[in-house]
Amino acid sequence: EPEVTQTPSHQVTQMGQEVILHCVPISNHLYFYWYRQILGQKVEFLVSFYNNEISEKSEIFDDQFSVERPDGSNFTLKIRSTKLEDSAMYFCASSEVGDEQFFGPGTRLTVL
Amino acid sequence: DAKTTQPPSMDCAEGRAANLPCNHSTISGNEYVYWYRQIHSQGPQYIIHGLKNNETNEMASLIITEDRKSSTLILPHATLRDTAVYYCIAHRFYNQGGKLIFGQGTELSVKP
Repeated sequence: EPEVTQTPSHQVTQMGQEVILHCVPISNHLYFYWYRQILGQKVEFLVSFYNNEISEKSEIFDDQFSVERPDGSNFTLKIRSTKLEDSAMYFCASSEVGDEQFFGPGTRLTVL
Repeated sequence: DAKTTQPPSMDCAEGRAANLPCNHSTISGNEYVYWYRQIHSQGPQYIIHGLKNNETNEMASLIITEDRKSSTLILPHATLRDTAVYYCIAHRFYNQGGKLIFGQGTELSVKP
């Protein structure tokens, strides 16, 4: 069964460093998303991406964040200068036609 | 998207049906009811969705009241592996994808 994959599973970084989180969505999907979940809190939407551009972003997704689909298979989330409060689980999701979204296992980001 | 209300927690005996309620009294006519679950900090997993009619798939059944103001997710024979947080989300399908807004969900504990 096809699935969304994410790497790394755990990323530890120093405050102020740049991180790139990687996702491989399901191959025939057209819509891509990033969400995050701070420990003990709700899953929060960050950004959606369709047709090689951002279709929607939340208030959390400020200038420190960017997304890219560098080739036909990868979808990345970059945080330019990490802050302590960026520590969270980051989930990538994809959907075929914008309906049910399939989530990856997540990357746990720890900012020290 | 309309707000949904779910009980914070429920218990269910293994092998019995788990009935998880959701209120969505302000749901609009073009909003679907989606159910996802999250097993212990894994990525959310899509379960089922519906608009007006009752729906069934290999995982669960979804019963939507005639006025669409509430719904019930039914896991017919709950197992220990169904222990998770279950999210009911009212979600309008967008042509360019659409963010899912997660609440706190219902924490279902299936007990032996």
